[in-house]
Amino acid sequence: QLQLQESGPGLVKPSETLSLTCTVSGGSISSSSYYWGWIRQPPGKGLEWIGSIYYSGSTYYNPSLKSRVTISVDTSKNQFSLKLSSVTAADTAVYYCVVGATAVGFCYWGQGTLVTVSS
Amino acid sequence: SYELTQPPSVSVSPGQTARITCSADALPKQYAYWYQQKPGQAPVLVIYKDSERPSGIPERFSGSSSGTTVTLTISGVQAEDEADYYCQSADSSGTWVFGGGTKLTVL
Repeated sequence: QLQLQESGPGLVKPSETLSLTCTVSGGSISSSSYYWGWIRQPPGKGLEWIGSIYYSGSTYYNPSLKSRVTISVDTSKNQFSLKLSSVTAADTAVYYCVVGATAVGFCYWGQGTLVTVSS
Repeated sequence: SYELTQPPSVSVSPGQTARITCSADALPKQYAYWYQQKPGQAPVLVIYKDSERPSGIPERFSGSSSGTTVTLTISGVQAEDEADYYCQSADSSGTWVFGGGTKLTVL
């Protein structure tokens, strides 16, 4: 049973870069059985997929965010991370790290962390 | 861009059957997935591959697919099923998309 925990600043200034880390326990981030990703949810709104990274290292990003997003993996720390540049108030949301498996969907979720963009 | 359309809300009385639809705007439709989200909690996967149920999910949750529409059915709805439900699928380029969500109210 995988467990995920997001960490990072809860407040980011406009135009700066949002950086979050997800620590994985209960399994190896090097496993080929899973892929890793980020999903966000603005307050009172629906879910938005940000992007995913696969065992091969391939990344897929939401086209609406692609120019500002980077997802990477640190196998030595069993972590993966999200960087979102040039943030605005519209990026204020609860950010979830997630684990998916082929044809299973996102089967593990972190508890989520609220990131507010404000000066 | 690929879009999934859900009704904003569905209301049912306890013991009745709730059906939540999710329509894709284009073919081919990839597998669909359903998530349940209760207030203040992370979403939970309740259906994968259109109609498969993860272990631990009650049998009253089922999924079906017809053409470009998938349906989440909750039979014998209980008060604890009141939540937001989101469908998810992918376009042909591997981009994941969520529906706008449906608030299920148990009257």
